[in-house]
Amino acid sequence: GAGVSQSPSNKVTEKGKDVELRCDPISGHTALYWYRQSLGQGLEFLIYFQGNSAPDKSGLPSDRFSAERTGGSVSTLTIQRTQQEDSAVYLCASSLTYGYTFGSGTRLTVV
Amino acid sequence: AQSVTQPDIHITVSEGASLELRCNYSYGATPYLFWYVQSPGQGLQLLLKYFSGDTLVQGIKGFEAEFKRSQSSFNLRKPSVHWSDAAEYFCAVGAEYGNKLVFGAGTILRVKS
Repeated sequence: GAGVSQSPSNKVTEKGKDVELRCDPISGHTALYWYRQSLGQGLEFLIYFQGNSAPDKSGLPSDRFSAERTGGSVSTLTIQRTQQEDSAVYLCASSLTYGYTFGSGTRLTVV
Repeated sequence: AQSVTQPDIHITVSEGASLELRCNYSYGATPYLFWYVQSPGQGLQLLLKYFSGDTLVQGIKGFEAEFKRSQSSFNLRKPSVHWSDAAEYFCAVGAEYGNKLVFGAGTILRVKS
């Protein structure tokens, strides 16, 4: 596609429920990144996929968070047993060379 | 480890005035440096980037930034601010291609008429 697409744009979930956030990167981009942006905070790195290499999961805050990237394209970020502190905007970015292209994000609210 | 400091959380400038947003980084080798802008409810848009070469880089929307190795800085400038420049600005640093970028906490720019 022309840009990085994220869905849903907004998600409200009850505490304890699981959620899945989707990222559809720009076609041909080999690298895909997930970041989290909490209110008043900068961007916190979560996970990075590069081609067929093992992902860099060093930023995942707990084992409730996981992500996969199928066929080197679409990625899903899953948060299990959501907590109120998980409320944030989750941003996906993709790149071919240097300089990310970001999606518009998914705003997650845990109530 | 890489880190980025944006000392100013908020900056207010008058429309038509000049702007400088500060960014200091910590990185052991030659950094790759970026400035992004985020309008409310939007994703981040790349303004400009520095990899090597000329230390003064030009970006979109009339922005420029200067890499100063001796000061570990990469400040963003614009000679004349427009009301539409009101947004949040993020500085980021990375290593070679493929490594994650580390972002600063952001500077919120307000433009008064």
